[in-house]
Amino acid sequence: DTGVSQNPRHKITKRGQNVTFRCDPISEHNRLYWYRQTLGQGPEFLTYFQNEAQLEKSRLLSDRFSAERPKGSFSTLEIQRTEQGDSAMYLCASSFAQPTNYGYTFGSGTRLTVV
Amino acid sequence: GEDVEQSLFLSVREGDSSVINCTYTDSSSTYLYWYKQEPGAGLQLLTYIFSNMDMKQDQRLTVLLNKKDKHLSLRIADTQTGDSAIYFCAERVGKGYQKVTFGIGTKLQVIP
Repeated sequence: DTGVSQNPRHKITKRGQNVTFRCDPISEHNRLYWYRQTLGQGPEFLTYFQNEAQLEKSRLLSDRFSAERPKGSFSTLEIQRTEQGDSAMYLCASSFAQPTNYGYTFGSGTRLTVV
Repeated sequence: GEDVEQSLFLSVREGDSSVINCTYTDSSSTYLYWYKQEPGAGLQLLTYIFSNMDMKQDQRLTVLLNKKDKHLSLRIADTQTGDSAIYFCAERVGKGYQKVTFGIGTKLQVIP
């Protein structure tokens, strides 16, 4: 297992287009998280899954954002009708559910630029 | 509520010790973490401390927790140029799921 993998690494899209990102977590981890990081800020929580169930969504996640984890393995994050304010680094992380002292393992992120 | 604050920037000379500070507001924090982020990369977990501890040492890293003042610090001994990065303090709060909230990050610059 090579860690958490995110694709693509970079995405440039025109405003109004839809984009989809993929995250492959560490295979033994049953929790998967999406965070968003803008320049000069720390990561902000978007949503998380335990296995295939999406258990919490942040208020930051507008109706244009949807995340899935269909078989409890990889996850996708889709942004519809992208806006310039969506430009950010989208980070995926995974962890065990227990013990809770374990920190997250992050992927390298997908940098989205909306032009 | 959840709020994690850090200073934005720290500059040290190679070989000196670095101390990065963090304050948090939620007294129900269970675990506190330090992550490192190098340019263009994701976050790497450096160390963590349980809220009932006041100190943890791991090689060149020492974490100090003052729960009364809600203050967390990370000391890096013998700082090297490879330690140049952004360091994020994070806390795990709440019951059940226990969401992790990150600070804004402290950029550490190591001068050769």
